[in-house]
Amino acid sequence: DAKTTQPTSMDCAEGRAANLPCNHSTISGNEYVYWYRQIHSQGPQYIIHGLKNNETNEMASLIITEDRKSSTLILPHATLRDTAVYYCIVRVGNSGGYQKVTFGIGTKLQVIP
Amino acid sequence: KAGVTQTPRYLIKTRGQQVTLSCSPISGHRSVSWYQQTPGQGLQFLFEYFSETQRNKGNFPGRFSGRQFSNSRSEMNVSTLELGDSALYLCASSDGGGQPQHFGDGTRLSIL
Repeated sequence: DAKTTQPTSMDCAEGRAANLPCNHSTISGNEYVYWYRQIHSQGPQYIIHGLKNNETNEMASLIITEDRKSSTLILPHATLRDTAVYYCIVRVGNSGGYQKVTFGIGTKLQVIP
Repeated sequence: KAGVTQTPRYLIKTRGQQVTLSCSPISGHRSVSWYQQTPGQGLQFLFEYFSETQRNKGNFPGRFSGRQFSNSRSEMNVSTLELGDSALYLCASSDGGGQPQHFGDGTRLSIL
């Protein structure tokens, strides 16, 4: 399984864009990048995923570099409710078996008023 | 659709006992995965079931086991509990393909 590296913590001012980086230099061609976040005492919440093209949904945007070795999750207008631990994982996005994915410790994002 | 439901939410056991945790996946999802989360360790993969068959298993001792029923509901069992088994146990379901997993809020297990 490809491993990911994320900063341990980040701060962001409320209303500004939060840019969370993730390094996945050993990613394979058929592995997708997934982002989740976890607010204290809750289970992880799915945010977005992508293979090689940039993706956007109602929650966030995902920018994947052309060589796919890194990606950035963008929360365009961070609010206090976005304070959470953000996890970046990679896994194969097809049927036929689920990988032994480990989430790591993620990035603790603190949104500051 | 209802989300992933885990029961119970909290559990206190003593060393040497065994425990069974339950997970009801989102309707239509056939894949159920279990994770252990401890402070500083992130989420560690335990195992995954798809259509009642275990497809993958993480690096946990044999004291940790699971099963999945024909309605896709899953149970996880831990025997001979140790203090180090205190953790948040999370269940996630998906369609088994490339779609993302959806997590329950977990069962917090405390071992005294």
